[in-house]
Amino acid sequence: DQQVKQNSPSLSVQEGRISILNCDYTNSMFDYFLWYKKYPAEGPTFLISISSIKDKNEDGRFTVFLNKSAKHLSLHIVPSQPGDSAVYFCAASFRSEKLVFGKGMKLTVNP
Amino acid sequence: SQTIHQWPATLVQPVGSPLSLECTVEGTSNPNLYWYRQAAGRGLQLLFYSVGIGQISSEVPQNLSASRPQDRQFILSSKKLLLSDSGFYLCAWSMPLTYEQYFGPGTRLTVT
Repeated sequence: DQQVKQNSPSLSVQEGRISILNCDYTNSMFDYFLWYKKYPAEGPTFLISISSIKDKNEDGRFTVFLNKSAKHLSLHIVPSQPGDSAVYFCAASFRSEKLVFGKGMKLTVNP
Repeated sequence: SQTIHQWPATLVQPVGSPLSLECTVEGTSNPNLYWYRQAAGRGLQLLFYSVGIGQISSEVPQNLSASRPQDRQFILSSKKLLLSDSGFYLCAWSMPLTYEQYFGPGTRLTVT
C-alpha cells in the first residue's frame, strides 16, 4: 500500500516559468511533510518542509502548499532554473518516527 | 557542522559474496540513523533505522542486516548477496524528535 504518491513521473518546463510538483497521501495521521531534491548518483538533499498545522511554507523560490482535506501537497518553484533539473521526492511522517517517500518525479527545466 | 560519510561509493560483488557498507556521522551526538535503498526506477525504501547503539529496527524482511556498534556508526551487511540486492544504498541521519533527515552520498551496489 503506497501511502505517498507522486502520480506524474516527469515534468518539463521552460526556464523562468513556474514548476508545480504534486503529491498525494492516504494516511491522515501524517503530521509533517517534506520535499527532497536528488541529482543522479547523489544522496537526496532536504529542500523544504511543512507542518500539518500550516497550509503554506515559503523559502525563496520554493513554496509548499498543503491541503489537508484533499490529502494533497504541492511544491511550487518560481522562477524555474536549469539547475533545478533533478528528481524530487515528496515524503511524509508521523511523529518524526520515519519518513515515507513517494517514488519521485523528474523535473527538467529547459533553457 | 554535521557531515555524513558513506563508503565505498561504488561496489560490484558476485552473487553469494558478503557485503559490508559503512556510514559515519560527524558533528553530532546520539543521532537517529537510517539505511535506505533506491532500486532502479523506484522510490526510497527504508530498510533499517536506529535510535541508539545496538538498537535496530528492521522495516522489511530481506537478505540484509544492520548494526550500530558506535553512536555515530551504522553498518549494513549481508552474508550472501542476491541479484535483487543491487541498488543505490543511502544512509541518513536526523536529530532525535525532529523530522528532517540528511542523506549521505550513497553507495551504488551491483551484484553480478
